[in-house]
Amino acid sequence: DTEVTQTPKHLVMGMTNKKSLKCEQHMGHRAMYWYKQKAKKPPELMFVYSYEKLSINESVPSRFSPECPNSSLLNLHLHALQPEDSALYLCASSQPTGGGGYTFGSGTRLTVV
Amino acid sequence: SQQGEEDPQALSIQEGENATMNCSYKTSINNLQWYRQNSGRGLVHLILIRSNEREKHSGRLRVTLDTSKKSSSLLITASRAADTASYFCATNSPRQLTFGSGTQLTVLP
Repeated sequence: DTEVTQTPKHLVMGMTNKKSLKCEQHMGHRAMYWYKQKAKKPPELMFVYSYEKLSINESVPSRFSPECPNSSLLNLHLHALQPEDSALYLCASSQPTGGGGYTFGSGTRLTVV
Repeated sequence: SQQGEEDPQALSIQEGENATMNCSYKTSINNLQWYRQNSGRGLVHLILIRSNEREKHSGRLRVTLDTSKKSSSLLITASRAADTASYFCATNSPRQLTFGSGTQLTVLP
């Protein structure tokens, strides 16, 4: 059982829709991450939150908007996405020191139509 | 951005055989980690080796790290069909985990 829970597991949205991906962790970790993974490719980092503050934004387009309401929750708000944004979106958590492994959620499979 | 490369890109072996995957990376690291991913779902952390360590074992897994060559290897001994998955190395520099290109391992029963 994963201790990082992502909802929904699958999402189909139109290019004019607004939707949100949610992630919750019960690891007591103070760093949380969003990764994007295309088919047959490695995960690519999008955002890093450390102690609920955005610390890294890997030049992600503004149609992706992250939010960290508290130390356990991480959201990714989506608006005006393009079909090429279709991918598996993975949330992860870790201790901010970076000395340990990351715990990943099962991901949200997003399809933009 | 992708930190490094893994080889082979794909590996097919018989159950009971050993599987070796190699990873090369480009920058200095705090530690290097290996993850497994089944069928495009979440990644599972397998093992972590720190930059001052050369070898580490965990069950059927053996990881080596050569910081002078910026390379690592993952050995899975006595493979099982359930080991079929994609395996990624990931380098950990401060605040950021960056993944290699991955190896698709298929273990045939």
